[in-house]
Amino acid sequence: DQQVKQNSPSLSVQEGRISILNCDYTNSMFDYFLWYKKYPAEGPTFLISISSIKDKNEDGRFTVFLNKSAKHLSLHIVPSQPGDSAVYFCAATRNNAGNMLTFGGGTRLMVKP
Amino acid sequence: EPEVTQTPSHQVTQMGQEVILRCVPISNHLYFYWYRQILGQKVEFLVSFYNNEISEKSEIFDDQFSVERPDGSNFTLKIRSTKLEDSAMYFCASSLPGQRYVFGPGTRLLVL
Repeated sequence: DQQVKQNSPSLSVQEGRISILNCDYTNSMFDYFLWYKKYPAEGPTFLISISSIKDKNEDGRFTVFLNKSAKHLSLHIVPSQPGDSAVYFCAATRNNAGNMLTFGGGTRLMVKP
Repeated sequence: EPEVTQTPSHQVTQMGQEVILRCVPISNHLYFYWYRQILGQKVEFLVSFYNNEISEKSEIFDDQFSVERPDGSNFTLKIRSTKLEDSAMYFCASSLPGQRYVFGPGTRLLVL
């Protein structure tokens, strides 16, 4: 039961260009979405989140877009830097009050110098 | 910035043995969680803990698993009789209501 899906297992981008990571969900009860970045042998690190009452949230080089009707969100990184190379997970939850996160399978981003 | 810490970083055990994974959540957080990631697979929810009791658990969290907050700072996950398929990275996390979850660095468990 893949309620959160990241269909691209990997993405390669040139330094300075835009990275776009996509995520789809099926559970219409989800109303809070998060992106995490993960390096090997480390725990997920929070990047940015968005509530379902918004369609965009921006934090520096990172912007998350939410399309509720399509049940789709995306993470834009611009400009991409080699240090951004990691696995990116989107996650979704209901009501963000201690409820469990449901993770996508992750997308490995490689930013080439 | 406050961190979630986990010990040990690595644990190797024999099948059928008990293991206890330890976590120190962020001190003022109220919700505590365990997640795991089997190699090459998704990060999966195991259990959430609030107000000294389990608030939610997944199908993975069967009778072999238990959690405890034995004092004001530690949060533990016990696996009573480990199986080969329990081999995974186990992540502890904590949060405040309405705020982001902070994950620990993980414990790599290998069951032989």
